[in-house]
Amino acid sequence: DAGVTQSPTHLIKTRGQQVTLRCSPKSGHDTVSWYQQALGQGPQFIFQYYEEEERQRGNFPDRFSGHQFPNYSSELNVNALLLGDSALYLCASSFLGTGGTEAFFGQGTRLTVV
Amino acid sequence: GESVGLHLPTLSVQEGDNSIINCAYSNSASDYFIWYKQESGKGPQFIIDIRSNMDKRQGQRVTVLLNKTVKHLSLQIAATQPGDSAVYFCAENPKRADSWGKLQFGAGTQVVVTP
Repeated sequence: DAGVTQSPTHLIKTRGQQVTLRCSPKSGHDTVSWYQQALGQGPQFIFQYYEEEERQRGNFPDRFSGHQFPNYSSELNVNALLLGDSALYLCASSFLGTGGTEAFFGQGTRLTVV
Repeated sequence: GESVGLHLPTLSVQEGDNSIINCAYSNSASDYFIWYKQESGKGPQFIIDIRSNMDKRQGQRVTVLLNKTVKHLSLQIAATQPGDSAVYFCAENPKRADSWGKLQFGAGTQVVVTP
């Protein structure tokens, strides 16, 4: 079992550009959540996908959008990048049947906006 | 707003000693608490969890204690090893069915294990 995998691991973008990050959940998991982690802080919830729909959302602007595919994998898209979007973006997967317990995280994508 | 936070930002522990990491939470409606370990350059790694109807849960070298009266959570690591050096986060999973899975993290505690 490969666990949660994210790609790419590192990314450098210019302010104003758009970026897409990808996540494959752990085998058997059907729910994917995305988090933003600024340096020295705890992860902040962006949104969660289940059955290909956004189930809930944190306090992030509409520039942040996502998608979940039939195979449960997910993408995070960020438009009009700002310098403040530089962070580690984490994907976590879980299984709805367990109430979202035991969420497993990927290694993250380090996004740098210059 | 309600939040989960940690008392100590940095904890230095001598190898072989026991470590205790504390966490305060303010949302009394929380159903489920989790401790994660995050090493540099990696994603958070699940350590142990506890439900709100429990006071204590033990794992391998780790014990989590939950005191709902004072809304306090702690992680105890027995016989701390150099590999335990990392940032430790407590996270809270809301009880509401429409919010489960929306983990709320504290700021984290850096644990440094010295020889």
